[in-house]
Amino acid sequence: NAGVTQTPKFQVLKTGQSMTLQCAQDMNHEYMSWYRQDPGMGLRLIHYSVGAGITDQGEVPNGYNVSRSTTEDFPLRLLSAAPSQTSVYFCASSRADGGGEAFFGQGTRLTVV
Amino acid sequence: AQSVTQLDSQVPVFEEAPVELRCNYSSSVSVYLFWYVQYPNQGLQLLLKYLSGSTLVKGINGFEAEFNKSQTSFHLRKPSVHISDTAEYFCAVSSFDTGRRALTFGSGTRLQVQP
Repeated sequence: NAGVTQTPKFQVLKTGQSMTLQCAQDMNHEYMSWYRQDPGMGLRLIHYSVGAGITDQGEVPNGYNVSRSTTEDFPLRLLSAAPSQTSVYFCASSRADGGGEAFFGQGTRLTVV
Repeated sequence: AQSVTQLDSQVPVFEEAPVELRCNYSSSVSVYLFWYVQYPNQGLQLLLKYLSGSTLVKGINGFEAEFNKSQTSFHLRKPSVHISDTAEYFCAVSSFDTGRRALTFGSGTRLQVQP
């Protein structure tokens, strides 16, 4: 009963490096999203997807790309990492008709030096 | 657009005392309302949700919340807290009317239960 799986759990990047945060869900949820969590700011939406092949920007999309080629996977790409992207990243999934109830992964703690 | 305000960033309370964590929201359309809990170094877990119907919602671990439409509030309560309730609590909303199911979160309230 995996739910939402994120990898890696921890990552340190140098400024300017690129990387992909992986997210997979096994609940056949249509909706997936990425959030970043910073102290005192709650969680802020980066990008979301309402189904395979469909993505859109959230509140803080700059510096991040996403794609959704399958229902299960929703990777988040950092194009050129910056110290401002140091954060904890959460992936979430939900049913399209589920009243928005989201299931979260365990998070990826990213440090950009 | 919608927004969520959690009025207290930290709430210290003694074990077995009651607690209320406050949440107010703003939205131009009808919303669903949620409370999530985050234990240290973990993801978020759903405590309870309001979709429709009775305004008093009961959740896991003895928590409950009351939806007040006129005051646009969704305060979380527990009559007697335990040390294990120490965590960060997030109030969140999502709107009915769009294809989005994204959640808008408040900034969180850290509940610190002291012996």
